[in-house]
Amino acid sequence: DAKTTQPTSMDCAEGRAANLPCNHSTISGNEYVYWYRQIHSQGPQYIIHGLKNNETNEMASLIITEDRKSSTLILPHATLRDTAVYYCIVRASSNTGKLIFGQGTTLQVKP
Amino acid sequence: GAVVSQHPSWVICKSGTSVKIECRSLDFQATTMFWYRQFPKQSLMLMATSNEGSKATYEQGVEKDKFLINHASLTLSTLTVTSAHPEDSSFYICSARGGWVRGTNEQFFGPGTRLTVL
Repeated sequence: DAKTTQPTSMDCAEGRAANLPCNHSTISGNEYVYWYRQIHSQGPQYIIHGLKNNETNEMASLIITEDRKSSTLILPHATLRDTAVYYCIVRASSNTGKLIFGQGTTLQVKP
Repeated sequence: GAVVSQHPSWVICKSGTSVKIECRSLDFQATTMFWYRQFPKQSLMLMATSNEGSKATYEQGVEKDKFLINHASLTLSTLTVTSAHPEDSSFYICSARGGWVRGTNEQFFGPGTRLTVL
């Protein structure tokens, strides 16, 4: 599975959009981009995933560049409860694909 | 839907004893379950993958005789830490995947089990 690179930490003001970048320049054609987050001392929570088209759900939007080498997770109106570690993971589409976690981005939402 | 539970949520044991952690998928059948370990201020590390009815596949560097995994049914997997030592103290997290749940076949994670070995 391709490796991802994320900033170690980011701050965001409450109510503003949080844009979390991720680089995955070695992604291959059958690999999806997944985003999970982990609030302190809890299990990770699935947010969103995509292959090449932009995706949106009730939690967030995922913007993937045309060359698929990078992506951005957008939380449109960040709240204090969105403070967490956000993981960008690239995984093959097969049923045997494993989620391998990197260090993630610690997002601190401030009032 | 897509709820995964773990039991216990925390456990304290003496060095040399064995501890069993349960992972259950409550509202779906999990054909595959995963076990992760997380040390303080570190990311999750995948320990093993188990498919129902089959032996678990362990990641490199994980001792299969120390971390016994059983996935005997489509809703239950157990991790037994045998002869636990203080260095085994960690946050153990399971996840489950099976079929299509909520329109996705993604992994859903349990809340984790905090193990402290004295």
